[in-house]
Amino acid sequence: AQSVTQLGSHVSVSEGALVLLRCNYSSSVPPYLFWYVQYPNQGLQLLLKYTSAATLVKGINGFEAEFKKSETSFHLTKPSAHMSDAAEYFCAVRGTGRRALTFGSGTRLQVQP
Amino acid sequence: DTGVSQDPRHKITKRGQNVTFRCDPISEHNRLYWYRQTLGQGPEFLTYFQNEAQLEKSRLLSDRFSAERPKGSFSTLEIQRTEQGDSAMYLCASSPGTGGGHHQETQYFGPGTRLLVL
Repeated sequence: AQSVTQLGSHVSVSEGALVLLRCNYSSSVPPYLFWYVQYPNQGLQLLLKYTSAATLVKGINGFEAEFKKSETSFHLTKPSAHMSDAAEYFCAVRGTGRRALTFGSGTRLQVQP
Repeated sequence: DTGVSQDPRHKITKRGQNVTFRCDPISEHNRLYWYRQTLGQGPEFLTYFQNEAQLEKSRLLSDRFSAERPKGSFSTLEIQRTEQGDSAMYLCASSPGTGGGHHQETQYFGPGTRLLVL
């Protein structure tokens, strides 16, 4: 069975600082991995996804994530935070043979001026 | 190309009443998913359709819940005899499925229906 752990339910950074949101997964098979962002009272928007083509994945809004199999991690980064990045971020995994996504509990990102 | 739409966006009901939500996926998307999200948590999978066939159901989907996708396009999720514990955001997503190239596994989410059971 797949599972996802997001370390840190809240992360606060200053505007212009590096953003690092952590995600570790557990999957018995090579996974598909996703990062989604959710703004208040809205649905989820896909930021980026890993589907085994490349370990460093670039997404929208300047975000990227690196798949590290040895660490079972898929951390999300952005070099310079912007106020508009304040939102809830979810890491999700889909194992081969299943269609459902398993989500982590989310990390709320605050960006301080 | 319009995204996934859900109706209503908000629903307040009294305990014991039945409610029905609708989801319209992105056109030509074969796969449709329902998730539930409670406050402070990530979405949890409820059920999944390939065209009109319901292929997977979570054990979260109690017998009070039923989902349909009669013509392989829009879907409805009905909750009978609602309980306060049903209060949550209900999210619908769709994906291209077969023929979608490298996007076929990407799920695109709607804005959700927020349910409050009093």
